[in-house]
Amino acid sequence: DTAVSQTPKYLVTQMGNDKSIKCEQNLGHDTMYWYKQDSKKFLKIMFSYNNKELIINETVPNRFSPKSPDKAHLNLHINSLELGDSAVYFCASSHRTRFKGEQYFGPGTRLTVT
Amino acid sequence: QQPVQSPQAVILREGEDAVINCSSSKALYSVHWYRQKHGEAPVFLMILLKGGEQKGHDKISASFNEKKQQSSLYLTASQLSYSGTYFCGTEIGSNYQLIWGAGTKLIIKP
Repeated sequence: DTAVSQTPKYLVTQMGNDKSIKCEQNLGHDTMYWYKQDSKKFLKIMFSYNNKELIINETVPNRFSPKSPDKAHLNLHINSLELGDSAVYFCASSHRTRFKGEQYFGPGTRLTVT
Repeated sequence: QQPVQSPQAVILREGEDAVINCSSSKALYSVHWYRQKHGEAPVFLMILLKGGEQKGHDKISASFNEKKQQSSLYLTASQLSYSGTYFCGTEIGSNYQLIWGAGTKLIIKP
């Protein structure tokens, strides 16, 4: 059973397009995250939701919009894609109290903007 | 506020030991350690919460100093499977937001 899953695994698109990445976790966690990992491997938090409520919203362009329809899902929609958006996007989840916040990551979505 | 990880990279022979450090200018609520293999997602190794704490499993262990500003990850008798990039993630407050170090790339050669 996959704990944290993301779709798609690879996404190749042209500048200006709009795309979405979906994330689902079956761990019963109450907190979910979106991270961006660039070519230099820096991991940067973008957003975090706890029980469907946005709790972390780092300085990212407002072209990025997260949506959490329920505790098990966190999707990321990106408008007007730019070359600089090319990166690997990881979804992660954790439980705020039970496991001291250890995070479980999805397999990543490699986004390439041409 | 990004923690400083050192070294940036280390190359070892199988069986050798390595130490990876993670330092912060502020006292930390917790330190997490993760390993990421090439093309894969980061995987949780351990979390340290208390000053002076040490914990570990197998031949990978970590410590958190008394002032809670530095953590070290120890890999003893390294195996090929230990290769990857090691990240520390630090919490300054109890807000479950991790600020990540830049990573330490560990290469193990047979």
